[in-house]
Amino acid sequence: DAGVTQSPTHLIKTRGQHVTLRCSPISGHKSVSWYQQVLGQGPQFIFQYYEKEERGRGNFPDRFSARQFPNYSSELNVNALLLGDSALYLCASSLAGDQPQHFGDGTRLSIL
Amino acid sequence: AQSVAQPEDQVNVAEGNPLTVKCTYSVSGNPYLFWYVQYPNRGLQFLLKYITGDNLVKGSYGFEAEFNKSQTSFHLKKPSALVSDSALYFCAVGSGTYKYIFGTGTRLKVLA
Repeated sequence: DAGVTQSPTHLIKTRGQHVTLRCSPISGHKSVSWYQQVLGQGPQFIFQYYEKEERGRGNFPDRFSARQFPNYSSELNVNALLLGDSALYLCASSLAGDQPQHFGDGTRLSIL
Repeated sequence: AQSVAQPEDQVNVAEGNPLTVKCTYSVSGNPYLFWYVQYPNRGLQFLLKYITGDNLVKGSYGFEAEFNKSQTSFHLKKPSALVSDSALYFCAVGSGTYKYIFGTGTRLKVLA
């Protein structure tokens, strides 16, 4: 079975640009969560979506937005990129909120 | 508010010896507790979870964890460490709010 897939694997942007990261969950998983992992730290929760509705939002500015599509895939959008947005962005899917989350290998975003 | 503490940045253990990676948590209500492992340039892999039931939870690759409600701890253990267990380990807590809080991670080094 395919795991969680994320694209692209690496991305380089400059300050002020916009970026879209994509995630395909494990087949049958209806919940998708996004995390930001800065080097040397644990993942920080950004969003969770379940059945295309936002179920939770972490302490991130409005420059961060996301959506979930009818096939349960998801996009994370970040506007007006800052140097501090450089990080590994992880997507995780699960069957439900209290079930283990299964992570993709992430998108490494570098801001120049 | 939920929080997780992993008090050790790094744990060194000789191959074949038992290992323990510590985690304490704070959450209102009943906790959902998880351990994940991260290898370089990869996402997080699920090891085990505690939601209800026996305080000793068995997981993947011979790992287990002991839930202690009075000490609010969920330490990860393995009876005999392997060099291949060397990685970054994260403890996470949820409380059914669809949001995981991760610790800062503990780097495990198993020495041959």
